[in-house]
Amino acid sequence: DAGVIQSPRHEVTEMGQEVTLRCKPISGHNSLFWYRQTMMRGLELLIYFNNNVPIDDSGMPEDRFSAKMPNASFSTLKIQPSEPRDSAVYFCASSLTGSDTQYFGPGTRLTVL
Amino acid sequence: GNSVTQMEGPVTLSEEAFLTINCTYTATGYPSLFWYVQYPGEGLQLLLKATKADDKGSNKGFEATYRKETTSFHLEKGSVQVSDSAVYFCALSDQGNTPLVFGKGTRLSVIA
Repeated sequence: DAGVIQSPRHEVTEMGQEVTLRCKPISGHNSLFWYRQTMMRGLELLIYFNNNVPIDDSGMPEDRFSAKMPNASFSTLKIQPSEPRDSAVYFCASSLTGSDTQYFGPGTRLTVL
Repeated sequence: GNSVTQMEGPVTLSEEAFLTINCTYTATGYPSLFWYVQYPGEGLQLLLKATKADDKGSNKGFEATYRKETTSFHLEKGSVQVSDSAVYFCALSDQGNTPLVFGKGTRLSVIA
C-alpha cells in the first residue's frame, strides 16, 4: 500500500516567491495534519483537517501561510510570499477515523534563500 | 496545555549497549503515548505506542511502559545496533484524530 505522498521532496526558492507543498494522504484516512520541523522549535503542528474541514489552524505562523483540502485525497500548503525563516522540513500525516496513530510522509525540505 | 519532555541528546553508545531515553509528559486526562523514529533523510515512523496505564508497547526490541503514577514513557532497548542510529521522538495524543504533541527529539548514534 502506498503511504502518505508528499511533493516536492526538496524545494529551493528565493525570498518573496510563492511556494506550494502537496500531500496525498493514505486512501481511506479522513484526518490530515501538516507539521513543520526546525532545529529551534522541533516538530510543531501547523494545521489539521477532519473530513476535509480545517479544525485547528492556530499553528499557522501568519497570513502568509494557507492550507486547503479540496477533497479527501489531496491537500496543499502554500506560503506567499516566502521568507528565509520559513526554511524547514514540512511533514504531512494522515490517520483513520477514531485512530490516534498518524502515518507520516517523507517530508518536503524547503530552503528559502 | 499538554507537553512532552524528553532527555536531551545526542546519545552515543557502543554496539550492544543498553539504551534508555527518558520521556515524561503533562496532560489532562489519559492520553495515548507514542515513540516515533526518524532515520536520516526520512519521515517519522511509528515505533511503538501505548494507550492506557501499565500498557507496554514493543517493537524491534524496543520497549516502553505507560507509567501514569510517574507520567513517564521511557524507551528502552537491551542491545542497540548501528542500524538503530536515528532521532527518537516521544509524543502524546489526547484522542483519536487530534494532533500529536512531540518532545524535542533525542539523537542516538551507535558506533561499532
